[in-house]
Order: sequence, then structure tokens, then C-alpha cells
Amino acid sequence: AQSVTQPDIHITVSEGASLELRCNYSYGATPYLFWYVQSPGQGLQLLLKYFSGDTLVQGIKGFEAEFKRSQSSFNLRKPSVHWSDAAEYFCAVGADRDDKIIFGKGTRLHILP
Amino acid sequence: NAGVTQTPKFQVLKTGQSMTLQCAQDMNHNSMYWYRQDPGMGLRLIYYSASEGTTDKGEVPNGYNVSRLNKREFSLRLESAAPSQTSVYFCASCGRQGNYEQYFGPGTRLTVT
Repeated sequence: AQSVTQPDIHITVSEGASLELRCNYSYGATPYLFWYVQSPGQGLQLLLKYFSGDTLVQGIKGFEAEFKRSQSSFNLRKPSVHWSDAAEYFCAVGADRDDKIIFGKGTRLHILP
Repeated sequence: NAGVTQTPKFQVLKTGQSMTLQCAQDMNHNSMYWYRQDPGMGLRLIYYSASEGTTDKGEVPNGYNVSRLNKREFSLRLESAAPSQTSVYFCASCGRQGNYEQYFGPGTRLTVT
């Protein structure tokens, strides 16, 4: 069965600094990978997804993520964070049928002014 | 397009009471899901429905039942609520099979006293 690990529960960065959120997955075949963002009191919004092809994927709000098969990782990056990026971020991996996806436990991002 | 809607937004129950959470989507999606979100636990899948007329258990189905009433609607029932079911519940839907891109409702915050 697939699983997702987000090693960092909380991350704090200064506004304007770069960001990298870590995600490691476990899955036997080529995974389908996602990053979602959840602002306080809101539902989840898809930031980006990887299905196949180019291992560097671009998403909304200036985010990107890189799939590294050798490291079983799909880390999320942003070159310069804004105060509005403060939220909780979830990495997820898709199963091979029924469109079921499994979520990591999330990383809460705090932005210092 | 309303997307995915959930009712109610908030609910307080006493232990042993029953209730049904309603979810509807207007995107003609085949797959629908119920998750619960607890602090530090991420999103955990309760039940899902890959198509009208089918339902399957997720990671944490105990204490819940579901009904896929038609293609649009997927309800979650708590027959005898327990304090451990205090959580935020999210419904999601997904389009064509193999897409895996889930669209989330705004959530229902449930407190069981």
C-alpha cells in the first residue's frame, strides 16, 4: 500500500525567503503525486500534480515541485514566499485504481514579517 | 458551478445521537470521498465511492456508514456519535478515472460532547 511522509510538522521562514517542503512516498509503481494547500478554515486546493514526463512541475501561486524517483521524494519549492502563503501543505500519492489518494500529515508553514 | 457543497457547516451532537452529513457535487464526477481531518493526523479516508452504486471502506470506516444516493450525492452517517468522532469532515469528488485530481468541499466541523 502507498504511504506518504512529511517529515516537518512546522516550518517557519521569513517573508521573501525561499521555501522547500519535504515529501517522501512509498509506492511500488510509478506514483501519481500531488501537493495541496489548506488555508485556515478552508478546504483543500490543488497546487500541482505529477503524473509522468518532466520531473519538474509548475503549479499555481508560483510553486513548483520536483519528482526524484531515486530518493522517493516530491519536494515543494517556492523561490520567494509571501505572507499569504502561510497555510498547511499536504503531499499526497495516488493509488492505481479507484482514484483513491493517501495524504501525508501535513506541514504547517509560518511566515515571519 | 457550485463545485462540492456540504451541509451542515457546523454541528454539535451529544454522545449516542445520530446524524447525516450531506455532500453534493455538480461537476458530473464519478468518484466521491469522505475524509476526516484531525490535528496532526492529516486527512484520513473514511469511505469512498468510485461510481454510482458502489462504496468502499477507506482507512478509518468504523462508526460510519455511507450512501451514494445518485451520481451527485454522497452522504455520511454517524449512527451513534462518540466523542472520538469530533473532527472536521471533508467531502471530495474526482472526475474521470485515472485523473486523481480531487475537488474538496468547505468542510463540516462536528463536535460530539
